[in-house]
Amino acid sequence: EVQLVQSGAEVKKPGESLRISCKGSGYSFTSYWISWVRQMPGKGLEWMGRIDPSDSYTNYSPSFQGHVTISADKSISTAYLQWSSLKASDTAMYYCARHRTTVTTEYYFDYWGQGTLVTVSS
Amino acid sequence: DIQMTQSPSSLSASVGDRVTITCQASQDISNYLNWYQQKPGKAPKLLIYDASNLETGVPSRFSGSGSGTDFTFTISSLQPEDIATYYCQQYDNLPPTFGQGTKLEIK
Repeated sequence: EVQLVQSGAEVKKPGESLRISCKGSGYSFTSYWISWVRQMPGKGLEWMGRIDPSDSYTNYSPSFQGHVTISADKSISTAYLQWSSLKASDTAMYYCARHRTTVTTEYYFDYWGQGTLVTVSS
Repeated sequence: DIQMTQSPSSLSASVGDRVTITCQASQDISNYLNWYQQKPGKAPKLLIYDASNLETGVPSRFSGSGSGTDFTFTISSLQPEDIATYYCQQYDNLPPTFGQGTKLEIK
């Protein structure tokens, strides 16, 4: 069974750093890209960026470029999303999602993690 | 970025009704359009990809159509378990972008 299991909820202060994780199982982790999607409270879905776990090549939405870093450790089938300096506006639910196909131009997502709620408050 | 506009933003319908949601892209996206269902407190679920292809395991009452800039998502006979918010998503141009969502409620 394909699963993406994310790390637990986090409460942080502005300016702090954070790394959240997404562990894949039940499939070949290096064969499918992983994307990260943000959902702010009561709002819609925003694509942040993606990583190819086989070589850690990434690309980002311009809206998130420079503010977050996506990485992966293929030895433990885990992708990460990290911030070096959180802002209150980073408060949101963050989902990892597996690309449905291995075709590099196709961006749709068949398996999703359960979400990690990040709360940033002083 | 390509803007995706869904209508309506919310919808109330009765069990057994035919429900239609539309999604309009700010430019031609061919058929690179997907539909997701998100139930409260849950992750989104892929229902339709490439405008009209039903994802494996998704009930046949769900369907999608369209190409270019105008797309339609239909539930042929609304069931109580279909209560959710539905999102369209384009991937013709990066970054992939989502519509603002359509919240579906039971009347």
